[in-house]
Order: sequence, then structure tokens, then C-alpha cells
Amino acid sequence: EPEVTQTPSHQVTQMGQEVILRCVPISNHLYFYWYRQILGQKVEFLVSFYNNEISEKSEIFDDQFSVERPDGSNFTLKIRSTKLEDSAMYFCASSEVGSSYGYTFGSGTRLTVV
Amino acid sequence: QKEVEQNSGPLSVPEGAIASLNCTYSDRGSQSFFWYRQYSGKSPELIMFIYSNGDKEDGRFTAQLNKASQYVSLLIRDSQPSDSATYLCAVNLRGQNFVFGPGTRLSVLP
Repeated sequence: EPEVTQTPSHQVTQMGQEVILRCVPISNHLYFYWYRQILGQKVEFLVSFYNNEISEKSEIFDDQFSVERPDGSNFTLKIRSTKLEDSAMYFCASSEVGSSYGYTFGSGTRLTVV
Repeated sequence: QKEVEQNSGPLSVPEGAIASLNCTYSDRGSQSFFWYRQYSGKSPELIMFIYSNGDKEDGRFTAQLNKASQYVSLLIRDSQPSDSATYLCAVNLRGQNFVFGPGTRLSVLP
């Protein structure tokens, strides 16, 4: 069964550093998403991406965050100047036809900011 | 404020019983509703979705939607210990993003 692949599975970074989280969506999917889940809390929407541009973003997705599809397969989330409160599980997701039939989530990257 | 509410649980049911998980949402404009299962430390996994009032069945799972009451539920028949997980209700208002509830932790006792 096709999978959304995320790397790394766990990243530890120092406060103030930049991190890039990587995702390979399912190959025929056109919509890409990032969500995050702080430990013990809800899954929260960050951003959606379609046709090489951001289609929606939440209040969480401020200037500290950016997304990019640098080539035909990867989808990245960059977090500049990380803060302690950015520590969370970050999930990439993709879908073929928007949200109509739900998304497929990747296995996640656990980001720990120290 | 777009809110999705669920009882946090844990909901404990014996093996073979029916587990009933409930979700309420605040925005009447919500269009589609999803149930995800999340094992501890893992990513959400889609179980099923529902758009229209009434019931939708898929194997041991039945989703029920009542838009007038702003209520959606998930029934799991013949519960198995492997069903023990957190069940997340997600609501799509418009656009492509989902609002997730806090999840209900289900424990199926052998």
C-alpha cells in the first residue's frame, strides 16, 4: 500500500537553530499538508499546499515556518529559529482530491528542541 | 471558534462488546466528518468518513451523523484488544483543513 514517508523520525535541535523536516507524499497525490501534535494534545493544522503554492494556513503557521516542494517528490517544512514550544510530532499528509476522502498521514517526525 | 469535542476516556469495553465513541462539533457549516485511529506514538490512520445524515457501515465500524444535533459517532462491533487506541474525530468546515478533537482513548479488555 502506498505510504507517505517522513524523515528523520526524530530530530533534536538546539533552540534558535533551523530545522527542515522532509516528506515524500504518495506519488499521484496532489494536495499536501503539515499538521503537528504537541505531546498529549490535539492534532493541529499548519498548512496545506496545492499546485506549488500554499492554499491554506493556520495562525500557528507564522513567519517562522515555510514549506517548499523543491522537486517532483519531496515536500519540506522549514522551521527557522526554533523555540522550545516547537517541540512536537510533525505529521505530513497527502491526498489525491483534497480533503474529500481524508488524508494519508506519514509516520511523523518527533522534533525535540533543547 | 471552531471546536470539536470528545470525551477523553478511557472508555473500557470487554472483548466482543460494542464500543460507542461520540463527537460533537460547534460549527453548523461543517461539511464532512472523519474518524481516525491513533496508536500511542503513531500517526493517525483513517477509519472512515461520512457526509450525510444517517449511518454508514464499513465492516465492524459504523459512523453515525446527525447534523441537526451536531453530533457524530463511531460504533465498533465485536471489539478486539487490537482496537485499543485513541480515536480522533475530525471535521472539515470548508477548504482542505481538518479540525481534530482531542480524541477518546479506548481500551478493549480481553
